[in-house]
Amino acid sequence: EVQLVESGGGLVQPGGSLRLSCSASGFTFSHYTFNWVRQAPGKGLEWISSINSGSDSILYADSVKGRFTISRDNAKDSVYLQLHSLTVEDTAIYYCARKGLQLWFDYWGQGALVTVSS
Amino acid sequence: QSVVTQESSFSVSPGGTVTLTCGLSYGSVSAAYYPSWYQQIPGQAPRTLIYSTYSRSSGVPDRFSGSIIGNKAALTITGAQSEDESHYYCMLYMGGGTWVFGGGTKVTVL
Repeated sequence: EVQLVESGGGLVQPGGSLRLSCSASGFTFSHYTFNWVRQAPGKGLEWISSINSGSDSILYADSVKGRFTISRDNAKDSVYLQLHSLTVEDTAIYYCARKGLQLWFDYWGQGALVTVSS
Repeated sequence: QSVVTQESSFSVSPGGTVTLTCGLSYGSVSAAYYPSWYQQIPGQAPRTLIYSTYSRSSGVPDRFSGSIIGNKAALTITGAQSEDESHYYCMLYMGGGTWVFGGGTKVTVL
């Protein structure tokens, strides 16, 4: 069974940093591209970053470029999102999503809540 | 505001049919955008319904179908059930490995 489990969320002050993790199981992790998608309270979904299997194609939405860093460890079946210079607008549930064999997201984690507040 | 446009809300009677659409603020949606649709019940993670315009994800009931209608992607629920009350998001592939979601449509079954 495919599973994606996010961790590392929490309360952080404006300007602070946090690292989210997404642990995968039930499939060959190294074959797939992964994405992070976030959802602010009461708002819609926002794609923010992706990383391919070899970590040689990394992309960010403009809203997080220069502040967030995506990475992966194929030996640990995990993908990470390092969040820096956080603002209250970054408060959201952050979902890890696997890109399917075509151009869609086939599996999603349950999400990690990041709250930026003083 | 997203460049991907969706209706904000729809109401459908149990057993009825509703069609949600997904457009682009600056042009037409075609299969080349690989439209996909996701259902999200409040408090839960998104669930994949439709990918590559028409294809249903594993386990998705056949009352959900995807298409292109005019210059928009569409998600049709035929024979709506109470458990279909949810938010629905479309996602378009914008090229270069990036995606954009629409603002979502809230569907009420009553």
